[in-house]
Amino acid sequence: QVQLVESGGGVVQPGGSLRLSCAASGFAFSSYPMNWVRQAPGKGLEWVALLSYDGTNKFYADSVKGRFTISRDSSKSTLYLQMDNLRPEDTALYYCARGRWQQLVLTPFDPWGQGSLVTVSS
Amino acid sequence: DIQMTQSPSTLSASVGDRVTITCRASQSIRSWLAWYQQKPGKAPKLLIYKASSLETGVPSRFSGSGSGTEFTLTISSLQPDDFATYYCQQYNSYSSTFGQGTKVEIK
Repeated sequence: QVQLVESGGGVVQPGGSLRLSCAASGFAFSSYPMNWVRQAPGKGLEWVALLSYDGTNKFYADSVKGRFTISRDSSKSTLYLQMDNLRPEDTALYYCARGRWQQLVLTPFDPWGQGSLVTVSS
Repeated sequence: DIQMTQSPSTLSASVGDRVTITCRASQSIRSWLAWYQQKPGKAPKLLIYKASSLETGVPSRFSGSGSGTEFTLTISSLQPDDFATYYCQQYNSYSSTFGQGTKVEIK
C-alpha cells in the first residue's frame, strides 16, 4: 500500500541545521509532486514546500524561503527537507504529503506521512 | 498569498446533527479547494477535492460546495467518528494555504 515514513527530526539549537527524510513506497515516486507541511504544537497546518514530480520546480512558503531546501532522490524514492538557520518558531511536526495526482503541481495532498517532530530550543 | 478563513473555529454538536463549516478565500480560487479531517495524533485525511468531489472511501454524509471565494463543508448527520478538526486548503496557487481549522466537539 502507499506509505510515507518521515525521519530525521530531533532537538536542535537556534541557528542549527537538520535534514528530514521521507521514504516513499507503494507508488511510482518519480511521477508525483511532493510537499512538506508542518504543524506547530496545538496549532493548524502550514504548507512549507513543494517539489514537482521531476524535481525541476521548487516552491517555498515565505516563512522558510532562503533557509529550507526541498529535494528528492528518485533512485531511493525519498524526499528531503534540508533546514538551515533554524528558529524557535520552526518547532513543529513536519509531514510529507504526496500530490493526489501524477505530474500535476496544483493538486490536493494525499496521502500524508505520520510526521517527524522538530524542536528548536537552546 | 491567498488567505483562507474558516468559521466557526469551534463547533459543538450532537450525534445526528447537520453541521456546516464555511471557508472563505481572500481572492478567487475557482474550485481548487480541498477539505481535510484530522484526529488527535493523526495525519490529516483528504475528504473532498475540487470543492465538491468526494474522495474514494469517504462516507456520503460529507459534501462540499462553492466556488470562487465561498465554500462550505456539510456533514448531513454527524456520527461519533466525525468529531475531529477540519481544515480547508486552497491549491489554486503554488503557495498552498490552509484555513485555521474548525474543531467539531461533542455537545
